[in-house]
Amino acid sequence: TQLLEQSPQFLSIQEGENLTVYCNSSSVFSSLQWYRQEPGEGPVLLVTVVTGGEVKKLKRLTFQFGDARKDSSLHITAAQPGDTGLYLCAGVYAGNMLTFGGGTRLMVKP
Amino acid sequence: EAGVAQSPRYKIIEKRQSVAFWCNPISGHATLYWYQQILGQGPKLLIQFQNNGVVDDSQLPKDRFSAERLKGVDSTLKIQPAKLEDSAVYLCASSPPDREVTEAFFGQGTRLTVV
Repeated sequence: TQLLEQSPQFLSIQEGENLTVYCNSSSVFSSLQWYRQEPGEGPVLLVTVVTGGEVKKLKRLTFQFGDARKDSSLHITAAQPGDTGLYLCAGVYAGNMLTFGGGTRLMVKP
Repeated sequence: EAGVAQSPRYKIIEKRQSVAFWCNPISGHATLYWYQQILGQGPKLLIQFQNNGVVDDSQLPKDRFSAERLKGVDSTLKIQPAKLEDSAVYLCASSPPDREVTEAFFGQGTRLTVV
């Protein structure tokens, strides 16, 4: 079983602050995905990074895939209350197998 | 396009009872996943189907859990008998075939409480 560890587990910050969430594994993945999940809903895909060293930006969110394709980070600039939620990383391997990390619960206070 | 449909949304049962969850994936999606998400944790894969065949069920507690995907479309997940530790959200997801990069679309989940 491929394991992904996310840190931190919980993060509470003020509006306007920056934050970074990490996703680490000893396994190599063909791609790495980030999902966001709100209470009572299923996870929704934010981004997929495929190439080692790849950086993708989605408005105030920046995603990076490690050179060795074992780790990833999510950086949010100037966080807003609407960014509150559970952020999940997921590693893709063996074609379409998908394994999730434990999640980072983010709360952004106004 | 319609999303992944799951029912029921909520279910409360007593321990040792049986329960079944239903999932209707997005039309044309060959891959179907069932995940268990315990409160405060990330989703854990229970079983993955490719059409009507099982790809991975290594983390499915087969003494009490069973799943089937008849005709490669709808799927049901059953627990018999339920234990207190089965309390969780059960998420169904599907992904389209022949994509270079996998993208999973999730339903809203079924929240199970075992008392």
